[in-house]
Amino acid sequence: GAVVSQHPSWVICKSGTSVKIECRSLDFQATTMFWYRQFPKQSLMLMATSNEGSKATYEQGVEKDKFLINHASLTLSTLTVTSAHPEDSSFYICSASGNRGKANYGYTFGSGTRLTVV
Amino acid sequence: AQSVAQPEDQVNVAEGNPLTVKCTYSVSGNPYLFWYVQYPNRGLQFLLKYITGDNLVKGSYGFEAEFNKSQTSFHLKKPSALVSDSALYFCAVREGTGRRALTFGSGTRLQVQP
Repeated sequence: GAVVSQHPSWVICKSGTSVKIECRSLDFQATTMFWYRQFPKQSLMLMATSNEGSKATYEQGVEKDKFLINHASLTLSTLTVTSAHPEDSSFYICSASGNRGKANYGYTFGSGTRLTVV
Repeated sequence: AQSVAQPEDQVNVAEGNPLTVKCTYSVSGNPYLFWYVQYPNRGLQFLLKYITGDNLVKGSYGFEAEFNKSQTSFHLKKPSALVSDSALYFCAVREGTGRRALTFGSGTRLQVQP
């Protein structure tokens, strides 16, 4: 089956620094990547949608200059939290949709990244 | 706009008893419905989905869900709960075709007591 590898699993950073989260599709081409944010005991909130080779589409209220998304290849998408602050602490999850040959793969989730900003 | 409601924050059930986790949805077109399970500090694991066809969908780990168009519901069920089923369950919906994001419900924590 389809696998999405997300790294790091957890990261602690100082306020004001930037953190990069990677999601790689291991055995299929991820043409679309969805980035979600999950607060404790809450649901997943869509942050942005990115299609390979195009600029990401951000949801209302999500700062595109703060949450930089790159999807330059069919197997890698990155989310960079710039100038992180404690309120950015959260669980970030990616979800990839794509294909391998004629087979369609929808909504394969990464294992998530726990970001703590101190 | 599409939306999903999971009315119960938590469901408690004894091991061996049947379980139901409720989900209702709202879309303007044909719904694509999903159930996922999440263990602590982990991503989401796919359980099952309804696209079209039979209203009763069977999925992983003995779970099933019934699509009810008139009640706009997609409740998750399992005939006999296991302690290891204790986790957070999310219902999600997508309207129509194409590579669109899923909209998730608020999640229901299932606690199965030995």
